[in-house]
Amino acid sequence: ARKVTQTQTSISVVEKTTVTMDCVYETRDSSYFLFWYKQTASGEIVFLIRQDSYKKENATVGHYSLNFQKPKSSIGLIITATQIEDSAVYFCAMREDRGSALGRLHFGAGTQLIVIP
Amino acid sequence: NSKVIQTPRYLVKGQGQKAKMRCIPEKGHPVVFWYQQNKNNEFKFLINFQNQEVLQQIDMTEKRFSAECPSNSPCSLEIQSSEAGDSALYLCASRGVYEQYFGPGTRLTVL
Repeated sequence: ARKVTQTQTSISVVEKTTVTMDCVYETRDSSYFLFWYKQTASGEIVFLIRQDSYKKENATVGHYSLNFQKPKSSIGLIITATQIEDSAVYFCAMREDRGSALGRLHFGAGTQLIVIP
Repeated sequence: NSKVIQTPRYLVKGQGQKAKMRCIPEKGHPVVFWYQQNKNNEFKFLINFQNQEVLQQIDMTEKRFSAECPSNSPCSLEIQSSEAGDSALYLCASRGVYEQYFGPGTRLTVL
């Protein structure tokens, strides 16, 4: 069973607006980490932002922020003031802390973001 | 933001041929991961190392894939006998405290 689910296959937004991408995860661990990465057209995978499960505050980095709803096992990515160069595929990922594979990531299927001028 | 180096960027092999790719993890990152990303963007964990020791590897890796991470040398992933289904983007990542940072990947095409 997939541990990380992204149901939005593709989203198109107009430049300078705000977009939210959804992600739900499944884990039995009490401690885990959630990440968002983006993959550019060239294939490069870039780390964007991290949320630690034990932190109540939503993480924010630049124009990326997270909407962490732990009871719903949800970690949404919010991009404000989108730019053309934000067009990419965005992956949600989870790392459980059980240590069986010392931090392997479980990835969602990805959401393609298209920013229109 | 990543300093992980992967070579070559592109690799073309015939079925049955060996395919070898290399990775230099970010300095100071003790844990190295290899993932395979298929054309549907699905990621598959292959193997990971901590300070040259294998931590975990999937069954597929145990059969035809071999990997090593010697000290003072690049890490490597080798497919002994390539199959068409091995065509994918092979990603190396290294982890510091929390995040994994990915290299640009080696895109393998098996003809």
